[in-house]
Amino acid sequence: DIQMTQSPSSLSASVGDRVTITCRASQSINSCLNWYQQKSGKAPKLLIYAVSTLQSGVPSRFSGSGSGTDFTLTISSLQPEDFATYYCQQSYSTSFTFGPGTNVDIK
Amino acid sequence: EVQLVESGGGLVQPGGSLRLSCAASGFTFSDYWMSWVRQAPGKGLEWVANIKEDGSEKNYVDSVKGRFTISRDNTKNSLYLQMNSLRAEDTAVYYCARGGIQCGQFRCWGQGTLVTVSS
Repeated sequence: DIQMTQSPSSLSASVGDRVTITCRASQSINSCLNWYQQKSGKAPKLLIYAVSTLQSGVPSRFSGSGSGTDFTLTISSLQPEDFATYYCQQSYSTSFTFGPGTNVDIK
Repeated sequence: EVQLVESGGGLVQPGGSLRLSCAASGFTFSDYWMSWVRQAPGKGLEWVANIKEDGSEKNYVDSVKGRFTISRDNTKNSLYLQMNSLRAEDTAVYYCARGGIQCGQFRCWGQGTLVTVSS
């Protein structure tokens, strides 16, 4: 099975900060990498799919990059509504593993 | 508007069974792979199972193989998860999600239904 790791596991940041979250797969997953945002008590929300394609309605301050095994989610200027947990997810194999999540909270 | 509404969660004893349902609306259900994803209390997301548009292909995470069965009824726009031999570690919020094709994504999610396995 493909294992996904994320770093950091949590971070504290201020409104306006640039935030970067890293995701690593245990083997190459081509471009089959998605990012989700989850707020407390809510269902996850798709932010970015296929590494870098922004889901409709998602603000342009979110961006994704990477290839092979290493991927990055960047929030260019953190907004109050961005405080949440972020998960990467691979869909290269039929077992769609998620990363352990990165909790972004207010400094 | 695309909508997925789960039901069927509740409290069940270890070794017991439960059947979850997901009612879909706002899109052509039979055109999409569908999946179940779960989240244990305070933990991350775990994909559980998926099913092809016509039900001809199904996949499961290793921890539920032989115990859970995913199915669908395209005439009723509904997805199901039959859960048998339930264990404490199956306690989680179970989400229905549209998607599950290889190299795809989970674009739409339900609100989730809580399954608690406890004596």
